[in-house]
Order: sequence, then C-alpha cells, then structure tokens
Amino acid sequence: QKEVEQDPGPLSVPEGAIVSLNCTYSNSAFQYFMWYRQYSRKGPELLMYTYSSGNKEDGRFTAQVDKSSKYISLFIRDSQPSDSATYLCAMLYSGAGSYQLTFGKGTKLSVIP
Amino acid sequence: GAVVSQHPSWVICKSGTSVKIECRSLDFQATTMFWYRQFPKQSLMLMATSNEGSKATYEQGVEKDKFLINHASLTLSTLTVTSAHPEDSSFYICSARDRYIRAFFGQGTRLTVV
Repeated sequence: QKEVEQDPGPLSVPEGAIVSLNCTYSNSAFQYFMWYRQYSRKGPELLMYTYSSGNKEDGRFTAQVDKSSKYISLFIRDSQPSDSATYLCAMLYSGAGSYQLTFGKGTKLSVIP
Repeated sequence: GAVVSQHPSWVICKSGTSVKIECRSLDFQATTMFWYRQFPKQSLMLMATSNEGSKATYEQGVEKDKFLINHASLTLSTLTVTSAHPEDSSFYICSARDRYIRAFFGQGTRLTVV
C-alpha cells in the first residue's frame, strides 16, 4: 500500500461548480497536510497548510483533515477556468532530525467555461 | 507566501556538457533545500536533500557523481548535471523549507539534452 493515495483523474467540471479533491494516507506519523497547485510546466504553488483535524478556509478554498480516517480533502467553491491545474496533496513528518514530505500523484482538474 | 527563485527556466545543452541550475530563497533562510525531478504526467520524484554547509543526501538510485549538489549558503543551492545525456532531459524543481517547515517550490527548469 502506498503511503499517499490520490486519484489522478482527470476531473472535468463546469465553471461555478464545487470541486472536491481527496487523498488518503496510511502513515499515522504524518503531522502536517498541504495542498499544492501546479500549472503545466511550472513548479507547485502552496495553497493550503494544516496540522490538525478540522477545516481551514482561505477564500474559495477549504482544506479538511480527518486524522482518524487518514483522509484529507480540498474543496474549491465557485470554480473558475483559472483553477484548471494539477492539484497535489502532500503529507509531512518532521522530527528528531527527520523531514519526510510525501506527495500524492496529483489530480488533474479542468474547469470548463 | 515565501518566494523561491529557480534559474534558468529552460535550457538546451549538447550531450556531454554540464548544466548548472540555481535555486534561491529570496525572502527567507532555508537550511534545507530539496531537488526533485518530474516526468510528464507524473508526480515529483525526490532526488536529494541538501543542508547548508554539509553534503547532500541522495535518494536511492540517484547518481551523486552525476547530479552534483552544493548548498553553500542559507539562500542558495545549486544542482549541476554533469556530462548530460538525452535521458537526463526532464523537468527539475527545487524546494526550500522555511522555519515553519513549509516547503516552497521554484518555478522549475526544463532541461533538454540534444
């Protein structure tokens, strides 16, 4: 079983839709959870960063973490064509001289005008 | 968010030559930087972790003599692809860790070896 599982999609939605992106993980040592957005031929851009179970909202984006289920989600409200990109979840363990950042494979999202 | 600048954005070189890629953290000090390689439609593959002032730690299967990493200061790490071959053509991305342990990425470098 891979440490981080993410459906690669592709996912196509109409403009204005609510998008739900998800990842599951198996390593309970992960402490921090991040979502990155990557446009084609660009480096990933950090969107959301959370370290506890619950919701964190930033504009149209909401990150949700459920540590008991080892499940994280990213919701995008009122999706726009400019949101079309690949979204990568990432899990982080840091401590005792160790820093382990593990990425999902990414979900390719297309928002259709 | 913090800014990581990577240069060049793209480079074409002849087979057998060496190419240097720079990664700079512009507004924070990064004791740790990471180098990734990304193939088309695939996720990031960690190549090595570099800590300022010490030797880089390479992932299994990554040739340290081919991919030379230098982290000479708290804001600069370089990756040199030595004696490049066409199979080294790829998208290389650096990342820097800030004091809150968040990882910020550079814009990436597309390397084409002809």
